[in-house]
Amino acid sequence: KAGVTQTPRYLIKTRGQQVTLSCSPISGHRSVSWYQQTPGQGLQFLFEYFSETQRNKGNFPGRFSGRQFSNSRSEMNVSTLELGDSALYLCASSPGSGGGRSEQFFGPGTRLTVL
Amino acid sequence: SQKIEQNSEALNIQEGKTATLTCNYTNYSPAYLQWYRQDPGRGPVFLLLIRENEKEKRKERLKVTFDTTLKQSLFHITASQPADSATYLCALGKDSNYQLIWGAGTKLIIKP
Repeated sequence: KAGVTQTPRYLIKTRGQQVTLSCSPISGHRSVSWYQQTPGQGLQFLFEYFSETQRNKGNFPGRFSGRQFSNSRSEMNVSTLELGDSALYLCASSPGSGGGRSEQFFGPGTRLTVL
Repeated sequence: SQKIEQNSEALNIQEGKTATLTCNYTNYSPAYLQWYRQDPGRGPVFLLLIRENEKEKRKERLKVTFDTTLKQSLFHITASQPADSATYLCALGKDSNYQLIWGAGTKLIIKP
């Protein structure tokens, strides 16, 4: 099976712009989670989707949003970018019902730089 | 709030020795604990999952223990190799929500 893919791999934006990141999970996986990772920080949970429904959301401002499509592909959007949004954004898909009982398969990430 | 602590300093181990990494947590009662490996510039890769009612789990050269009384997990790599050098992350999860809580990771360096 093909792994989790994320596009684009790299992005450079300026403050105030918005950005959309895309994630295609492993075929058959319906749970998709998004994380932000910055140097020295653990993965910070953004949100989790299952069958097009957001089941959980992390402590991020409303500028961060996401959605999942019927084919389980997911997108996340960040509006009004700030310098602090520069990070590696990781998407992970899980088999079965997802959640803590399931291993997560990660994509390579999107490296976002905000200037 | 919940907190996960992993050794913040890099762990240097001689090749062939056993590397032991620690994951401590507070204010949380996980049903599952997972360990991942992450190489620079790449996404984490799943290694092992252990449930709260399991004390120990093994996979090839890897062993994980889970002590819910101490609120601690130990991750062991036996007969370590330079290729084991990476950052290792622990993550906690429950059935009641749909997210994993992650530690910041420990960088492991295996010296030849």
